[in-house]
Amino acid sequence: ETGVTQTPRHLVMGMTNKKSLKCEQHLGHNAMYWYKQSAKKPLELMFVYSLEERVENNSVPSRFSPECPNSSHLFLHLHTLQPEDSALYLCASSQDYGTSGSYEQFFGPGTRLTVL
Amino acid sequence: AQSVTQLDSQVPVFEEAPVELRCNYSSSVSVYLFWYVQYPNQGLQLLLKYLSGSTLVKGINGFEAEFNKSQTSFHLRKPSVHISDTAEYFCAVSGRGSTLGRLYFGRGTQLTVWP
Repeated sequence: ETGVTQTPRHLVMGMTNKKSLKCEQHLGHNAMYWYKQSAKKPLELMFVYSLEERVENNSVPSRFSPECPNSSHLFLHLHTLQPEDSALYLCASSQDYGTSGSYEQFFGPGTRLTVL
Repeated sequence: AQSVTQLDSQVPVFEEAPVELRCNYSSSVSVYLFWYVQYPNQGLQLLLKYLSGSTLVKGINGFEAEFNKSQTSFHLRKPSVHISDTAEYFCAVSGRGSTLGRLYFGRGTQLTVWP
């Protein structure tokens, strides 16, 4: 595998289900991100992890729970979601150079989530 | 903080015609600039980036963009488009010296190429 992979690619779940999205990066990067992309809305940054520590949480509801066990893997645990949570969830990674900043983010193909 | 404005939400164009997708940004610090493309049901793919040096940047698939600091713009251009260029295009900015590569995205421009 190369780049950033995400599984599953499609997920349909009921409002009472619990599921997890998985992201894996094969680029040796030290920062990972979760984005939400809804129709007609701009990309929303949800969570940022740097060196496996969560450093940003943009007011995301607690029904979304991220986990970063190591620098290559990122999970998004989902429980009791609402229909408005249906969206494309994108994972990305980058190499963070500290005060020198960072360059581009590399994105996975996304997980298309539908909440019934 | 930084912000990005993509002035056109949709750009229709005929095949083999030139196209320009507009992007303006605001920032209190120097910036890195990016254009990403998203094909249907796929993630974002980097088209090109401006980090430093020449203000004219060439990317993949024949696209190029010019960084204009005085106008705070980073417009994307292609001299002759193909049907396969139909996709959503996102402009993004990152502040130099900001940690974690925080990217600020525009709302996207849907480019539709007609035969």
